[in-house]
Amino acid sequence: DVKVTQSSRYLVKRTGEKVFLECVQDMDHENMFWYRQDPGLGLRLIYFSYDVKMKEKGDIPEGYSVSREKKERFSLILESASTNQTSMYLCASSFRDRGFYFGPGTRLTVT
Amino acid sequence: AQSVTQLDSQVPVFEEAPVELRCNYSSSVSVYLFWYVQYPNQGLQLLLKYLSGSTLVKGINGFEAEFNKSQTSFHLRKPSVHISDTAEYFCAVILLSGGYNKLIFGAGTRLAVHP
Repeated sequence: DVKVTQSSRYLVKRTGEKVFLECVQDMDHENMFWYRQDPGLGLRLIYFSYDVKMKEKGDIPEGYSVSREKKERFSLILESASTNQTSMYLCASSFRDRGFYFGPGTRLTVT
Repeated sequence: AQSVTQLDSQVPVFEEAPVELRCNYSSSVSVYLFWYVQYPNQGLQLLLKYLSGSTLVKGINGFEAEFNKSQTSFHLRKPSVHISDTAEYFCAVILLSGGYNKLIFGAGTRLAVHP
């Protein structure tokens, strides 16, 4: 089974802190994605990566950056956390377009 | 522009009744279509997907969906629901536009099954 793991299930940070969310997949997938999930809005794509050191902006990249130094790891960075970034963050990986596999999510609260 | 519309934000239903969760998409190119389920406090799980071939797709837990190209719909159905089907359901689409293909989600439908 494909496994996508995220470094934390719950995280509480203060406004202005730099926040790192880590995602690791174990199936050698080429594509990785970061989404945020908010009630009534579904999942919105923040950034994605189709190869090591490559990244593309999604629909809501403002306030975020990403890093992919190794194929299995994709990090989401909040440069200066704000309260409107309080959300559930979901990482996913895929092989071509045939299946997207999601991690359990990180619920981030920014106070 | 919204590519995926889930027409109902909440659907209450009694146990053993049939249910249909509606999903419409907008696209001028070919698509792949998906339904995901999220149980309380869990991640997303793939229910079923349409890539090509038969327009009636069967998934896990007794769910099925039908791709209707003329109506640009991909409604999810189950003939008899259980309490354990209570969850949030997301319709998603990949637009095969030739660029980097992204999974685009609808806003979700919360299914509440009552005894």
